Amino acid sequence: GAVVSQHPSRVICKSGTSVKIECRSLDFQATTMFWYRQFPKQSLMLMATSNEGSKATYEQGVEKDKFLINHASLTLSTLTVTSAHPEDSSFYICSAQGEPGELFFGEGSRLTVL
Amino acid sequence: AQSVAQPEDQVNVAEGNPLTVKCTYSVSGNPYLFWYVQYPNRGLQFLLKYITGDNLVKGSYGFEAEFNKSQTSFHLKKPSALVSDSALYFCAVKDTNAGKSTFGDGTTLTVKP
Repeated sequence: GAVVSQHPSRVICKSGTSVKIECRSLDFQATTMFWYRQFPKQSLMLMATSNEGSKATYEQGVEKDKFLINHASLTLSTLTVTSAHPEDSSFYICSAQGEPGELFFGEGSRLTVL
Repeated sequence: AQSVAQPEDQVNVAEGNPLTVKCTYSVSGNPYLFWYVQYPNRGLQFLLKYITGDNLVKGSYGFEAEFNKSQTSFHLKKPSALVSDSALYFCAVKDTNAGKSTFGDGTTLTVKP
């Protein structure tokens, strides 16, 4: 299957700083990528749909100004957690959509905000 | 609207026994159905999908799933479980007209030696 690279896999930052997570599709062009947040009790929460060349579509309840998503090329989407706080600590996962809807996931990024 | 239900948070089986992880779905149109597996602190990996054709779909690592339209189910099965199958399993559905998939809450499979 296709390969999606997510970086960094782990990041620790101080409260109030911003953190950028990158998601790259290595062997195919992804018009659509998705960002998820996974909570300790296992559920996967869709945060936003990232569309190449246009603004991201955020799910209800997700703060657009806090979780900035950029999809500037067909192989790269980034998620920036701005002014991070301890409650933003979580496991963030990206995926790229192939056809006819199969998803290829990154390895996830563990964010810890001190 | 589309939705997925995984009625079991946890499934426990003994190694060598058959396993089933349940999934039911709801879509307004025709469904694309998927199973993914997640190991601790990793992203999800694709296992198998149903798009059209045979109701019995075979996937990675010896897993299979049966699409049952009348029961709107897509249960994941394996004839003989391995300890290494222990992981978190997600079922997902995408209406053919929808832009994104909807995931179930996940089922933790534990296979004991």
